[in-house]
Amino acid sequence: SQTIHQWPATLVQPVGSPLSLECTVEGTSNPNLYWYRQAAGRGLQLLFYSVGIGQISSEVPQNLSASRPQDRQFILSSKKLLLSDSGFYLCAWRDLSDEKLFFGSGTQLSVL
Amino acid sequence: DQQVKQNSPSLSVQEGRISILNCDYTNSMFDYFLWYKKYPAEGPTFLISISSIKDKNEDGRFTVFLNKSAKHLSLHIVPSQPGDSAVYFCAASARSWGKFQFGAGTQVVVTP
Repeated sequence: SQTIHQWPATLVQPVGSPLSLECTVEGTSNPNLYWYRQAAGRGLQLLFYSVGIGQISSEVPQNLSASRPQDRQFILSSKKLLLSDSGFYLCAWRDLSDEKLFFGSGTQLSVL
Repeated sequence: DQQVKQNSPSLSVQEGRISILNCDYTNSMFDYFLWYKKYPAEGPTFLISISSIKDKNEDGRFTVFLNKSAKHLSLHIVPSQPGDSAVYFCAASARSWGKFQFGAGTQVVVTP
């Protein structure tokens, strides 16, 4: 069966520090991968999605970037965090034979 | 531009009664709709979905209704249980896109 791993679960970072969040999917190949963010009291905002290795689409201009170095690995990064980057970050995957999104357990990022 | 809207941020319902959650969308290209349930500090979990070729889909206590002409869908939970207390997100996608747009969510509280 397919599983998705996302880490860390919580992260407290100072303003201006770098960020790296990692997500891996097991049990499937060539999935579509997604990064979403839920800001406090807000809905789920699509940040990036990827249909294959090295293929990244950015939905919202911002201080973040994403990379997909391997088929089942998706990384969210920032060189310098801002206060506004705080939020709950979710990785998700979609099997091309299925219309559903499956989410990881999320990372609560607090930028102080 | 919010293409998927959940205009009710919260809903309180008595245990055993029906919960009705509403969702509106603006993009006529959307052809697949999903509902997710989310507990605090966890990733959303898939509840139920509906394709645009249908107007109703039922799974146990959960039923989703789609009114394409009104660009409106709703989720009915009958009977509501305390474990249903969570945030519910409506999502929409166009199969040609591979992307999913989410609403802002509705916090459901089921009271004894």
